[in-house]
Amino acid sequence: GNSVTQMEGPVTLSEEAFLTINCTYTATGYPSLFWYVQYPGEGLQLLLKATKADDKGSNKGFEATYRKETTSFHLEKGSVQVSDSAVYFCALSVPNTGNQFYFGTGTSLTVIP
Amino acid sequence: DTAVSQTPKYLVTQMGNDKSIKCEQNLGHDTMYWYKQDSKKFLKIMFSYNNKELIINETVPNRFSPKSPDKAHLNLHINSLELGDSAVYFCASRQTANTGELFFGEGSRLTVL
Repeated sequence: GNSVTQMEGPVTLSEEAFLTINCTYTATGYPSLFWYVQYPGEGLQLLLKATKADDKGSNKGFEATYRKETTSFHLEKGSVQVSDSAVYFCALSVPNTGNQFYFGTGTSLTVIP
Repeated sequence: DTAVSQTPKYLVTQMGNDKSIKCEQNLGHDTMYWYKQDSKKFLKIMFSYNNKELIINETVPNRFSPKSPDKAHLNLHINSLELGDSAVYFCASRQTANTGELFFGEGSRLTVL
C-alpha cells in the first residue's frame, strides 16, 4: 500500500541550528512528494514538492530531495529561525489511487532564541 | 481573495445538536476534500469529491454527511454531535484527482460541550 512515515517530534532547536526532519515512504507506482507546514492557528500550506526521482524541492531556505533508492524525502534547513516554529507534514500522492493524498503524522518544531 | 474559504471558523455547541460547515474554492479545481485534525495534529481524510461525485468515503460515522452542490462547494453537515467530534475540520481542493498539491482552507474549530 501507500504510506508515509515521518520522524516523531517534538523537535526543539536553538536559532541558527541545522534542521533535518526524516520522511520515508512506501508507494505503488510513481508518487509525487510534498512537505506542508502548519503555523499555529492556521491551515496547512505547501512548503515544497518534488514530482520525480532526484528532483529537489526548495522554498524559504528549506530543501528536500526525492530519493527513490532510499524511498526518502527528508526536509532540511541550514539555519532555522524562531519564525520556523510550526508543525511539518510529509505527504505523497500516487496517480490513479482515487483522489488519495497520504499524510505523515506531523513533526512539531520549536525554535528557541 | 482567499482561495479556499471555510465558514464558520469557530463553532461551539452542545452535544446532540446539528451543525454545518461550508467550504468554497475559487481556484477552478475539480476535486475537494474534508479532513479532520485531532488534538495531536493527526490528519484523517473523511471525504473527497471529484466534480460533485463522491470518490472517498472513509470510515466515518453516518452522522457526517457531505454535500457538493457544484464543484466549487463542499459542505459538511454533522448530526447529533458528540464530544469526540471536537476537532479542527479542514477543507482542501486540488486541480484534479491526480494532479498537483492540495490547497487548504484555514480550518473550522468545532468544540462540543
